Amino acid sequence: EIVLTQSPGTLSLSPGERATLSCRASQSVSSSYLAWYQQKPGQAPRLLIYGASSRATGIPDRFSGSGSGTDFTLTISRLEPEDFAVYYCQQYGSSSWTFGQGTKVEIK
Amino acid sequence: EVQLVQSGAEVKKPGESLKISCKGSGYSFTSYWIGWVRQMPGKGLEWMGIIYPGDSDTRYSPSFQGQVTISADKSISTAYLQWSSLKASDTAMYYCARVGYSGLSFDYWGQGTLVTVSS
Repeated sequence: EIVLTQSPGTLSLSPGERATLSCRASQSVSSSYLAWYQQKPGQAPRLLIYGASSRATGIPDRFSGSGSGTDFTLTISRLEPEDFAVYYCQQYGSSSWTFGQGTKVEIK
Repeated sequence: EVQLVQSGAEVKKPGESLKISCKGSGYSFTSYWIGWVRQMPGKGLEWMGIIYPGDSDTRYSPSFQGQVTISADKSISTAYLQWSSLKASDTAMYYCARVGYSGLSFDYWGQGTLVTVSS
């Protein structure tokens, strides 16, 4: 089973700043099958990025994804107040899905 | 509009059985996999298993194999997650989510069903 490790655990930033979140896989992941989700308190997760770099429907262009192999990144170019949340990466491979443990983006 | 609507919160005692549901609408229910995801209090997301309602092909995470049963009734566009004997450690929020064809990611999510198991 592929293990996804996200870092940092918590990111403390101010609105307007740039956020860079990392997701590292224990073995190579197909870029086609790497996704990112946002979850706010009391809400279901929301798909942000699929295929490592494609934005889901309705997702603002301040969100971008990149990476390949074992290292992937989610970047939020300028944090808006509504972006403070927990972010998860997720991969699919060999009929199995796994999530990273999450990165919390909090207001500094 | 694609929607996944889950059944309401449940409070159960250890040892009891439970079946929660997830009803899909706004798309061809039999053409997309539906997955179940657990979120324990204050914790992250865990993939439990997945079902293809078209033929009931089911896959389980090794962590949940034998612990739960996933099923679907395509005639009423509903997927299910069930336990035969609940434990306190099953206390969690459970989400169903559709697997989209774009990257096999979970593109639509239900609102979640909170299951509380307590004596």
